[in-house]
Formats: sequence, structure tokens, C-alpha cells
Amino acid sequence: ILNVEQSPQSLHVQEGDSTNFTCSFPSSNFYALHWYRWETAKSPEALFVMTLNGDEKKKGRISATLNTKEGYSYLYIKGSQPEDSATYLCAPPGEAAGNKLTFGGGTRVLVKP
Amino acid sequence: ETGVTQSPTHLIKTRGQQVTLRCSSQSGHNTVSWYQQALGQGPQFIFQYYREEENGRGNFPPRFSGLQFPNYSSERNVNALELDDSALYLCASSLGVVSTDTQYFGPGTRLTVL
Repeated sequence: ILNVEQSPQSLHVQEGDSTNFTCSFPSSNFYALHWYRWETAKSPEALFVMTLNGDEKKKGRISATLNTKEGYSYLYIKGSQPEDSATYLCAPPGEAAGNKLTFGGGTRVLVKP
Repeated sequence: ETGVTQSPTHLIKTRGQQVTLRCSSQSGHNTVSWYQQALGQGPQFIFQYYREEENGRGNFPPRFSGLQFPNYSSERNVNALELDDSALYLCASSLGVVSTDTQYFGPGTRLTVL
């Protein structure tokens, strides 16, 4: 069973501020990392699938970087807006080359107007 | 909208009962995965079906079982419910089973076991 850790567990951000948080995962036998955004009462929404060391992905004001050698990924939110309030989950596959995901506990972001 | 639907939205059962949850995948997706999310935790993998065959199972007892049908629907059954089975159950569909295949999630079924 993979050990996937996300920190911090929760984050309060003032509207307009930028923020970032971390996902740590085992660096051995890495294949991919998935990021999801999960708003309350909705379905988890896929943000990124990252595969290569040094990869950087961007979607609007949200971006993510990947370091497979040291086993971490950062997710950044630039100029946070109230609609960014959600739980952000990262998940590498739990076994080689498959997509059975092992989720971290998530970082809960609350953006205050 | 992911195009993945689940039913029912909420369900209350008593200990020892059996429950069936249903999921309708995106059209064209060959894979359905089920996850359990307990309070305060990330979703935990239960099992996955690829083209109607089980393609892996997480650390869940045999009383958790599932089926996938040719019409992109799936169901997940639990026999002899226990209090600890109270959780949000998510299904997700994907094109295939490779590590880069995105999983598209439904909104979940909230199961309460009394």
C-alpha cells in the first residue's frame, strides 16, 4: 500500500492571495500522478495527470509541478477566488502501470472574501 | 459534469443488511472503479472492473462484491453490513486501465449503517 501524504490538511486563504500545497509519494516505481479538485456536494473533478520529472501543468490559475526523483508535487493557486474553495486530492496509482488510485488525505482550501 | 451518475444519493441501512449501489459510466468507457471515502480521509480503492471482468481489488473483505455490465452500468454490493461501512461510495469510469487514464467520478452514494 502506497503512503501518500498531503500537507497541510487545511488552508485558509484571503481572496486574491496565492497559495501552494504539497503531495508526497514514494519515488520508486513512479508511473503517474493525478490531481483532483473536489467541491462540496459535487463529483471530484480531474485537474491534471502528470508523468515526467520536471513536468509542469496549468489550468487557468491553477498549476502543478512534479519531482519524481524526490517524490513530491506542488499545486499552486494564483490569485485565489472563493470558487477555488475545495478539497484538492493527489493520487498516484497504487500499483505499477495501472490506474487504481491511492489517494492522499487531501488539502482543504477555504478562500475568504 | 462528468457524465457518471450514481444511485441512490443517500441510503440508510441497518447492521447485517445487504445493499446494492449503482453506477452508470460514461459511454465508451471500458473501466469502472469503486472507492470508499470515510469521514476525514481520502477515497480508498475497493475494486476495479475492466470489460466486465474484475481487474484488481483493494484491502476489502469478500462481502464487498461488484459487477460491470455491457451497457456501461455497474453495481457494487455489500453483504452483512457493519457500522464501519458507513461512508461515501464513489464510482469512477475511465477509457482503460493504464496509469495515465483519467478517472471520471460520479457524485457518490452516502451510506449510513445504523
